[in-house]
Amino acid sequence: DAGITQSPRYKITETGRQVTLMCHQTWSHSYMFWYRQDLGHGLRLIYYSAAADITDKGEVPDGYVVSRSKTENFPLTLESATRSQTSVYFCASTGQGSNMNTEAFFGQGTRLTVV
Amino acid sequence: QKEVEQNSGPLSVPEGAIASLNCTYSDRGSQSFFWYRQYSGKSPELIMSIYSNGDKEDGRFTAQLNKASQYVSLLIRDSQPSDSATYLCAVYSGGYQKVTFGTGTKLQVIP
Repeated sequence: DAGITQSPRYKITETGRQVTLMCHQTWSHSYMFWYRQDLGHGLRLIYYSAAADITDKGEVPDGYVVSRSKTENFPLTLESATRSQTSVYFCASTGQGSNMNTEAFFGQGTRLTVV
Repeated sequence: QKEVEQNSGPLSVPEGAIASLNCTYSDRGSQSFFWYRQYSGKSPELIMSIYSNGDKEDGRFTAQLNKASQYVSLLIRDSQPSDSATYLCAVYSGGYQKVTFGTGTKLQVIP
């Protein structure tokens, strides 16, 4: 199916463990993003990618790592999970080639709980 | 100071009324403005985009942009209970800048 999908939808992990959240899009969109959404903060950008092998930090990158070896995939890794990283994570992409100035399509979200 | 500000609400309106949602932004160079709707437990979905001063209408929705005053608003006419959601304002400022989201306004449409 066409679209942008995230996995897993729900994840519980322990403090200190490494966790990887997956994001896959089928539109060949150039730009992809990872956001976290917390009460009182809204959506905050963690990392974004303009194309394969091009990534850059957003507003809250500490503790996270991304990679983009293929256009369609943009995994987010928490190197050593902390309780403050408990959040809902959204992956998004924008289309129309290299133009970032367009509608963003969001994945279903991953609810991550760090205990 | 937040770059994009919205009143968190909740904004309660009776069914059939006009709901007015407002957003202000700090970057005068902002180029594009978006309204997303987010139902509880779901992901945001785009409902309106506006790029130039004035009004843009799409069905029951009207987006209004005033760059001189740095605000953008969303009007929902004939509000329905199904419009009850959180509405996120998003602003794009050009170049490799990210799209910045406001914290959202929760709208409740009372039957």
